[in-house]
Amino acid sequence: DVKVTQSSRYLVKRTGEKVFLECVQDMDHENMFWYRQDPGLGLRLIYFSYDVKMKEKGDIPEGYSVSREKKERFSLILESASTNQTSMYLCASSLEAGRAYEQYFGPGTRLTVT
Amino acid sequence: GNSVTQMEGPVTLSEEAFLTINCTYTATGYPSLFWYVQYPGEGLQLLLKATKADDKGSNKGFEATYRKETTSFHLEKGSVQVSDSAVYFCALVAPPGNTGKLIFGQGTTLQVKP
Repeated sequence: DVKVTQSSRYLVKRTGEKVFLECVQDMDHENMFWYRQDPGLGLRLIYFSYDVKMKEKGDIPEGYSVSREKKERFSLILESASTNQTSMYLCASSLEAGRAYEQYFGPGTRLTVT
Repeated sequence: GNSVTQMEGPVTLSEEAFLTINCTYTATGYPSLFWYVQYPGEGLQLLLKATKADDKGSNKGFEATYRKETTSFHLEKGSVQVSDSAVYFCALVAPPGNTGKLIFGQGTTLQVKP
């Protein structure tokens, strides 16, 4: 079974803190994705990566950065957390780019910024 | 641009009732279409998919048919169970040249009462 794990299920941080969200997949997938999920808005893509050290902006990259130093690990970084970044963050991975391959999701990290 | 529109929720049904969740899309070319389900406290998992017009995806008693003429991919189940209570997301991947990026609808919450 494909497994996508995220470092924390729940996280509480203060405004201005630097926040790291970690995601690891165990199926040698090329593609990895970070989404945020908000009520009434569905999932919105923040960043994605189709290879080690490669990254592309998604629809809402402002205030975020990412790092992919190893194929299995994709990190989302909030350089200076703000209250409007309180959300559920979901990581996903898929096998190949440009095809209708299934994305596998982690359980999510619910981040609260106070 | 590409987009997905789902019916507003929540949808509340009694056990064994018939379920329809409407989904329409706007996309260039011939997208692949997906339904994902999110059970409480979990990440998303693929429920079913269809990659070309008139394809029918099915899984766990759920079905959806790719209708290009109406740009729709409605989810149906003949007899829902309490365990089907979840949030359902319609999504698409649109060619050409995409990188497997999913575009999601806003999600529809289904509550099934015994």
